[in-house]
Amino acid sequence: EIVLTQSPGTLSLSPGERATLSCRASQSVTSSYLAWYQQKPGQAPRLLIDGASSRATGIPDRFSGSGSGTDFTLTISRLEPEDFAVYYCQQYGSSPWTFGQGTKVEVK
Amino acid sequence: QLQLEESGPGLVKPSETLSLTCTVSGGSIGSTRYFWGWIRQPPGKGLEWIATIYYSGSTYYNPSLKSRVTISVDTSRNQFSLKLSSVTAADTAVYYCASQTYSYDRSGFQQPKGYFQQWGQGTLVTVS
Repeated sequence: EIVLTQSPGTLSLSPGERATLSCRASQSVTSSYLAWYQQKPGQAPRLLIDGASSRATGIPDRFSGSGSGTDFTLTISRLEPEDFAVYYCQQYGSSPWTFGQGTKVEVK
Repeated sequence: QLQLEESGPGLVKPSETLSLTCTVSGGSIGSTRYFWGWIRQPPGKGLEWIATIYYSGSTYYNPSLKSRVTISVDTSRNQFSLKLSSVTAADTAVYYCASQTYSYDRSGFQQPKGYFQQWGQGTLVTVS
């Protein structure tokens, strides 16, 4: 089973700042099959990125994903008030599909 | 656009079987475009994939739960279901249903892509 480790656990930033979230896999993720989700309190996760860098339908272009192998990054270029949330990465290259433990982006 | 909604008891006794249903609207569960999955999230914790099914009945399970999980589909009702047996307090979680897209394997068969596109709002199941 591939273990995903996200860092940092919490990111304290101000609106307008750039957020860089990391996701590291315990082994190489096949074909860059990595997704990112955003989850707000009391809500279901929302798909942001699949295939490491493809934005899902309706996702603003301030969200971008990059990486391959074992190291992946989600970047939010300029934080909007609605972007403060918890972000999860997920690998789907190998079964069982697994999630990281999450990074919370909070208002500084 | 697809909409999914989970339903089922919010409280289950230890050692009993948890049963949940996901009702799909805005699309057919019999469509060849989608696979259907269950994911759970214990309170304050991360996400765990449980199982996935295709309208034809093909199933995919997380090995850590496979011995206790059954996923099934009812195309006549546009629903799919989850059963988790012998529950304990560790199974207390918000349970989500979700849709998945597909790809083709080397033999030309559709396989689920393991990420989750549309999610239900989730339902909290407490084991106590």
